[in-house]
Amino acid sequence: GAGVSQSPSNKVTEKGKDVELRCDPISGHTALYWYRQSLGQGLEFLIYFQGNSAPDKSGLPSDRFSAERTGGSVSTLTIQRTQQEDSAVYLCASSFGVGGNEKLFFGSGTQLSVL
Amino acid sequence: AQSVTQPDIHITVSEGASLELRCNYSYGATPYLFWYVQSPGQGLQLLLKYFSGDTLVQGIKGFEAEFKRSQSSFNLRKPSVHWSDAAEYFCAVGAGGNTPLVFGKGTRLSVIA
Repeated sequence: GAGVSQSPSNKVTEKGKDVELRCDPISGHTALYWYRQSLGQGLEFLIYFQGNSAPDKSGLPSDRFSAERTGGSVSTLTIQRTQQEDSAVYLCASSFGVGGNEKLFFGSGTQLSVL
Repeated sequence: AQSVTQPDIHITVSEGASLELRCNYSYGATPYLFWYVQSPGQGLQLLLKYFSGDTLVQGIKGFEAEFKRSQSSFNLRKPSVHWSDAAEYFCAVGAGGNTPLVFGKGTRLSVIA
């Protein structure tokens, strides 16, 4: 596709339910990032995939959060047993090559609301 | 690990006035520095970036930023603000290699007539 695609754009769920958020990066981009944007908190790094390397999971806030990237392309972020504090916009980004010095291309995000 | 501070949560400027958004970083070596903008209802877009060389970098939409190593700063400037510049601005720092970008908490810019 022309850009980073995220789905769904909005997700409303009940506390305790599991949710899956999808990210389809730009074709050919080897790096994929998940960030969380909460009001007044900026962009909080969650997890980073780079090629076939082991992902950097250092930003995941708890073991309820996990992510995978299949075939070096599409990624799914899973939140188990959602809590109200998980409500936020979840942003996916991709880039060519290694992270830290590359331009990131962001998707429009998934607005997650936990009731 | 690197970190970023954007001291101003919200700034309001008049259309046509000059703008400076502050960004301070913490990193032991020369960092990679970025400014991103998030306009209402749109995704984040790169405004400009600094890797090395000239410390004054030009970006899109008439923005520029200056890297000052002595002050650990990378402030964003624009000589004349337009109403369409109203958005959230994020400064980010990268350490290079196989590491993710670290973003600041953002500065929301409002533009008044």
